[in-house]
Amino acid sequence: KAGVTQTPRYLIKTRGQQVTLSCSPISGHRSVSWYQQTPGQGLQFLFEYFSETQRNKGNFPGRFSGRQFSNSRSEMNVSTLELGDSALYLCASNLGETQYFGPGTRLLVL
Amino acid sequence: QKEVEQDPGPLSVPEGAIVSLNCTYSNSAFQYFMWYRQYSRKGPELLMYTYSSGNKEDGRFTAQVDKSSKYISLFIRDSQPSDSATYLCAMGEYGNKLVFGAGTILRVKS
Repeated sequence: KAGVTQTPRYLIKTRGQQVTLSCSPISGHRSVSWYQQTPGQGLQFLFEYFSETQRNKGNFPGRFSGRQFSNSRSEMNVSTLELGDSALYLCASNLGETQYFGPGTRLLVL
Repeated sequence: QKEVEQDPGPLSVPEGAIVSLNCTYSNSAFQYFMWYRQYSRKGPELLMYTYSSGNKEDGRFTAQVDKSSKYISLFIRDSQPSDSATYLCAMGEYGNKLVFGAGTILRVKS
């Protein structure tokens, strides 16, 4: 069974730009969660999608948004990038309350 | 005060030692508890999950939850150099919104 796929794996952007990250969950999983991981703050919950609907949201500004498609693939978007958005963005594929993480997308904002 | 407290270490032990990793939490509404292992530049890998107080064993790993004390532990028996990684505790109230500890860096020396 294939695991969680995240693309791209690495990304370099400049301040003010926007970025879109993609996540394909494990086949059959309908829920996807997104997290941001930084050395200072650790892993922080961004949002969760289930059947194309946002079900939970963390404490991040509106610049962070996401969506889920009918095939359960999910994307997250960050607009007007700031230096502090440099992080590892992790997607988790959820079965019940068990979460299986992908390898992450490492974003560097210059 | 953070909802979940975890000593970041590093914790250095000799090969074959029993390792004890711990987290405390303040939110009594947390219902389920997980331990993840994260190797450098990789996504977190689920090791153990549990929903109730008591012990759960899986191979060399034992997860322990004490809800009355708001304390969880992960024990690793016969530790190996390949166990060297960052260990993250995580917990949630409902749905798929996990709150993570800061992670403990473990180094097992041969």
